[in-house]
Amino acid sequence: EVQLVESGGGLVQPGGSLRLSCAASGFTFSSYWMHWVRQVPGKGLVWVSRINSDGSSTSYADSVKGRFTISRDNAKNTLYLQMNSLRAEDTAVYYCTRDKEPHTYDAFDIWGQGTLVTVSS
Amino acid sequence: EIVLTQSPGTLSLSPGERATLSCRASQSVSSSYLAWYQQKPGQAPRLLIYGASSRATGIPDRFSGSGSGTDFTLTISRLEPEDFAVYYCQQYGTAPRSFGQGTKLEIK
Repeated sequence: EVQLVESGGGLVQPGGSLRLSCAASGFTFSSYWMHWVRQVPGKGLVWVSRINSDGSSTSYADSVKGRFTISRDNAKNTLYLQMNSLRAEDTAVYYCTRDKEPHTYDAFDIWGQGTLVTVSS
Repeated sequence: EIVLTQSPGTLSLSPGERATLSCRASQSVSSSYLAWYQQKPGQAPRLLIYGASSRATGIPDRFSGSGSGTDFTLTISRLEPEDFAVYYCQQYGTAPRSFGQGTKLEIK
């Protein structure tokens, strides 16, 4: 079964750090571009970051640029999101997701269940 | 950044009726790289339509997508009880990828 499972969410103080993980299974992880998308509870979806299949290229939403770092370990079939200098407005459910086809721009066909990050003192 | 505007914000219909959801882009969407997602409470989004009009795997044929350029439509031909949810459009042809704000389809 093709699956993405996030972990690492939780409560963190403003200015703090957190690292999210996303474990992939059931497909050739190293062939797919991967993304993080977040959603404030009750609000819409917002794209956060993207990494290409071999990890050599990344991009970020302006709201997280310079604070968040996306990375991947293809040997471990795992995607990461290192979040530093966290702010209250980063509070959201974070989803990992993949492009539908390998090595190309595509819609997001597989999503994890999400992990909640709460930034509060 | 391409801004996607969905309308209406909320659509109240009854099972068996036809639903028409709109997504308008602030500039032309490259190669019709437009997708639609369905999201139910407490669940992750599910891909319904990609390439503006192609149904994703396992999606019933009552769901259809159309449009090009800046105007796109998701149509649900006959609403089933499980179709009441929030629907998002997304463009994935131009970075950064962007989502519309969503249309909530509720039971009348």
